Amino acid sequence: EAGVTQFPSHSVIEKGQTVTLRCDPISGHDNLYWYRRVMGKEIKFLLHFVKESKQDESGMPNNRFLAERTGGTYSTLKVQPAELEDSGVYFCASSQDPPTGFGEQFFGPGTRLTVL
Amino acid sequence: AQKITQTQPGMFVQEKEAVTLDCTYDTSDPSYGLFWYKQPSSGEMIFLIYQGSYDQQNATEGRYSLNFQKARKSANLVISASQLGDSAMYFCAMREGVYTGNQFYFGTGTSLTVIP
Repeated sequence: EAGVTQFPSHSVIEKGQTVTLRCDPISGHDNLYWYRRVMGKEIKFLLHFVKESKQDESGMPNNRFLAERTGGTYSTLKVQPAELEDSGVYFCASSQDPPTGFGEQFFGPGTRLTVL
Repeated sequence: AQKITQTQPGMFVQEKEAVTLDCTYDTSDPSYGLFWYKQPSSGEMIFLIYQGSYDQQNATEGRYSLNFQKARKSANLVISASQLGDSAMYFCAMREGVYTGNQFYFGTGTSLTVIP
């Protein structure tokens, strides 16, 4: 079974440009999460989709970030316009949680974004 | 306040020796789950082990065990018989609440180097 995939693996852009990151979750997983790790700091939650609906977007830094999950399958995270502080590794994770107990989140390899 | 604290930015261990990676957490929710993930240089996040707040026994998975001390709010990862392939970043994470869709809170990670 294919794991969570992310595209691109690396992106280098200039300040003010737009970048779109893509995440394909594990097939059948309703829950999709975006996280970001800035160099040397902890991995921080950005938002959570359940199918195509945004369940929690409390971690989105500002309105330059737009996430979508049309049709409840893959998701995109667009940064427009990009700023220097947006540099970091963006992780996507998916899970198919049981009704109770824990649901392991399966992570993608991340997209390393560098804004110059 | 930081939800997850990992105080060891870097650790070294001799091959075949055991090593303990520290993790403390902060929550007022009686129901939570604690996770450890490994991130090798290739970038993917690999789930290692899980401990639920109501679990009576410490979790074990092969060479990995979780030293869960609830009163001290610590969830240290113990790797026995270290191997060269264990060299990686290790992240401690927590999920709160009965609702399993909640986000993960991560620590800043510990970089483990296994010396031959």
